[in-house]
Amino acid sequence: GAGVSQSPSNKVTEKGKDVELRCDPISGHTALYWYRQSLGQGLEFLIYFQGNSAPDKSGLPSDRFSAERTGGSVSTLTIQRTQQEDSAVYLCASSLGSGSANEQFFGPGTRLTVL
Amino acid sequence: QKEVEQDPGPLSVPEGAIVSLNCTYSNSAFQYFMWYRQYSRKGPELLMYTYSSGNKEDGRFTAQVDKSSKYISLFIRDSQPSDSATYLCAMSAGRDDKIIFGKGTRLHILP
Repeated sequence: GAGVSQSPSNKVTEKGKDVELRCDPISGHTALYWYRQSLGQGLEFLIYFQGNSAPDKSGLPSDRFSAERTGGSVSTLTIQRTQQEDSAVYLCASSLGSGSANEQFFGPGTRLTVL
Repeated sequence: QKEVEQDPGPLSVPEGAIVSLNCTYSNSAFQYFMWYRQYSRKGPELLMYTYSSGNKEDGRFTAQVDKSSKYISLFIRDSQPSDSATYLCAMSAGRDDKIIFGKGTRLHILP
């Protein structure tokens, strides 16, 4: 079946502009995660959605970052007033349930470059 | 001290060699340990999953956990050029807890 898809695959923007990144999880997966991966920094957790529960936003680095998940499926990560340090690969993952008991399936990521 | 430490590499070894990848951690509550493999321009994929201490083998791959030393390892036997990727360790305290990832080690298998 189809895996996790993300769009766009690449995004180049100018400093100060807003960007929206999209994630389509695997159908039926209730948990959805956003991570950021910078060179030499590993996977940095950003935000986590589980079913109808309030999202865990503890990893968002600033109030310029927000995310929503509509209808328990598609998710959008929005970065307002982008800065050069926001340049990274943004990865989305989904799983059947929460925590390490459920394998996270990752999308290919969106490579964001802020000029 | 970061919760999970992993040498970023790169690590270059000849084809056929045994590869040893390692992570150390500081949180003694971690009980679930994972290894993910990430090819260039792709998302990570789960390779091995272990609970508590001990070894787990899957084909050419062996995952080893030493909770007393807070040290985990991934061994790759008879390494192949197709094993060239970044390997990330990951761990969590409970089944429903957030997973903490290492920075990843870049591995190059030389033909």
